[in-house]
Amino acid sequence: KAGVTQTPRYLIKTRGQQVTLSCSPISGHRSVSWYQQTPGQGLQFLFEYFSETQRNKGNFPGRFSGRQFSNSRSEMNVSTLELGDSALYLCASRGYVDTGELFFGEGSRLTVL
Amino acid sequence: AQSVTQLDSQVPVFEEAPVELRCNYSSSVSVYLFWYVQYPNQGLQLLLKYLSGSTLVKGINGFEAEFNKSQTSFHLRKPSVHISDTAEYFCAVSAYGGATNKLIFGTGTLLAVQP
Repeated sequence: KAGVTQTPRYLIKTRGQQVTLSCSPISGHRSVSWYQQTPGQGLQFLFEYFSETQRNKGNFPGRFSGRQFSNSRSEMNVSTLELGDSALYLCASRGYVDTGELFFGEGSRLTVL
Repeated sequence: AQSVTQLDSQVPVFEEAPVELRCNYSSSVSVYLFWYVQYPNQGLQLLLKYLSGSTLVKGINGFEAEFNKSQTSFHLRKPSVHISDTAEYFCAVSAYGGATNKLIFGTGTLLAVQP
């Protein structure tokens, strides 16, 4: 069974640009969560989508947005990039049992110059 | 709301020595507890989880953890570490039940195994 797939793995952008990251969950998983990981703030929850609906959102500005498609694939978008947006963005999916257990992808490392 | 505290940001240990990584949580409701491991430039991998039942939980790679409700702790242990155990370890908690529960992570503990 294939794991969670994130693309691209690495990318470099400049301030003011926007970026879109993609995540394909484990087959059969309908929930996708996004986390931002930085050395200073650790792992911070961005949002979660289930069946194309956002059902949970973290404390991030409106520049951070996401969506989920009917095949459960998800994208997150960051507009007007700032230096502080440099981070590892992790996507995770969960199965049907809502224990909170997540299965993570390898992440997309974004560097903003 | 739930929160997780990992008091040790870094734990140095010699190879083949035992190790304990500490985790304390705060919650007003029952919780599920998890330990994840992250190797450099990789995502998080589940080590073990406590959902219910026996308070001693065994995971992959020889790790185990004990849930202590009275002390609100979920410490991770391994009797003999290997160089390959060098990684960052995250404790996480989610509230019991509910379709909208999310995983709350601690700040992580870097386990540095020295030869």
